[in-house]
Amino acid sequence: QKEVEQNSGPLSVPEGAIASLNCTYSDRVSQSFFWYRQYSGKSPELIMSIYSNGDKEDGRFTAQLNKASQYVSLLIRDSQPSDSATYLCAVNAGGANNLFFGTGTRLTVIP
Amino acid sequence: EPEVTQTPSHQVTQMGQEVILRCVPISNHLYFYWYRQILGQKVEFLVSFYNNEISEKSEIFDDQFSVERPDGSNFTLKIRSTKLEDSAMYFCASQGTGGRNGYTFGSGTRLTVV
Repeated sequence: QKEVEQNSGPLSVPEGAIASLNCTYSDRVSQSFFWYRQYSGKSPELIMSIYSNGDKEDGRFTAQLNKASQYVSLLIRDSQPSDSATYLCAVNAGGANNLFFGTGTRLTVIP
Repeated sequence: EPEVTQTPSHQVTQMGQEVILRCVPISNHLYFYWYRQILGQKVEFLVSFYNNEISEKSEIFDDQFSVERPDGSNFTLKIRSTKLEDSAMYFCASQGTGGRNGYTFGSGTRLTVV
């Protein structure tokens, strides 16, 4: 069984702070890693993807991947109240295209 | 920006009835998926579809479920003889090319089985 683990939170940060979200995965052959944002009652929205060890930055978002530790994280700089949502970590199934999702971390940014 | 369109947004059905959930993927995408999310739980993979056939399916996707791409644009999920535990949000997703590209999800169909 391929597992993707996330701290369910809630994680609360003040506006303007850095939010740090973490994810671990069990399948060593996983190749592609994604972060989705899901507002309550809405569908997941892709915000970052990462495939190689190291950091990948896109605007206020930075994804970090460490395949040796089977760990992927998402940093949100200058957090805004509109960032308040559940953040889903997703990992591909190593050779297939389907994704395994974590349960998500609920982030609240306090104005 | 291209969208994945799902209809209906909410479907209520009686236990034992059949339902068809409909999706229009992004037009030039090649890979199509159905996922479901039971309230308060994780998003779970059901099935993937490529080149007019199922490419992967999960243990959830048993004989009760089927998928079809009847006309080259629509992508449907049929659930036969619905059960109470089928109540969930069902998401369709499409992907331009496989592997490293993320999906675009539709807005979902909330299925309530009573």
